[in-house]
Amino acid sequence: NAGVMQNPRHLVRRRGQEARLRCSPMKGHSHVYWYRQLPEEGLKFMVYLQKENIIDESGMPKERFSAEFPKEGPSILRIQQVVRGDSAAYFCASSARQTNEKLFFGSGTQLSVL
Amino acid sequence: GENVEQHPSTLSVQEGDSAVIKCTYSDSASNYFPWYKQELGKGPQLIIDIRSNVGEKKDQRIAVTLNKTAKHFSLHITETQPEDSAVYFCAASKNSGGSNYKLTFGKGTLLTVNP
Repeated sequence: NAGVMQNPRHLVRRRGQEARLRCSPMKGHSHVYWYRQLPEEGLKFMVYLQKENIIDESGMPKERFSAEFPKEGPSILRIQQVVRGDSAAYFCASSARQTNEKLFFGSGTQLSVL
Repeated sequence: GENVEQHPSTLSVQEGDSAVIKCTYSDSASNYFPWYKQELGKGPQLIIDIRSNVGEKKDQRIAVTLNKTAKHFSLHITETQPEDSAVYFCAASKNSGGSNYKLTFGKGTLLTVNP
C-alpha cells in the first residue's frame, strides 16, 4: 500500500492522558500536513512539516499540541493532557514537493476523549 | 482569514440526474480551488481542482466552474451513480511561500444518489 498510512485508526483516551498519532507519508513524499476535522465541520489546517523541520504551525493550538517529523520514522502529532474538546478526526496528508498543492490524505485517526 | 461557505449541506438525487454543489470564498487572493470526496471511514480524496486563471475544467462526468468576480465556484456531477454517494468538500487556498498547502475547507455536502 503506497498511500498515506495513519495509525491508530481509533484512539480512546481519558481526560488528562496523552495522545500520540502517527503518520507515514506516501513513498517519495517529504512534506507532511496535519488537519483536524470536528463533527460536521470541514477540515482545518494545523501544521506543515518537512523532515526535521516545522514549516508552518499557524493552525496549532498554542498549548498541549506538538508535532514532529524526524529524520527516520513517521510524523507524530502529540496531544498532552487531552480534554473532551480534542475529540475529532485527525488527518495527515503528504505531498511530493512544496509547490505541489495536491495533497494526498490518509484515512485519519478518530480520537475520542472520555 | 479565508472563509469558505458550501451549499447545500445535503443533496439527494436520483441515479442518472445531475448534482451541483456551490461554494463561495471571501479572500480575493485565493487562487487554487480543489474538490475532495470523502467516503465513510476514509480520508478525503482529491477528485478535481481548478486554478484562478481558468474558468472551467472537466474530467469525464465531473466539472468545476469558477467565477472570480463573484468569488464562487461549483462542482457539477452528471449522470450520477450510487457510488458517487459521499461527502464532498470544496476548499480554497492562496499561495503561501510558493505553495497552496494551507487549504480552507467548506463544511461539506452529503450527496446521496438513489438507485
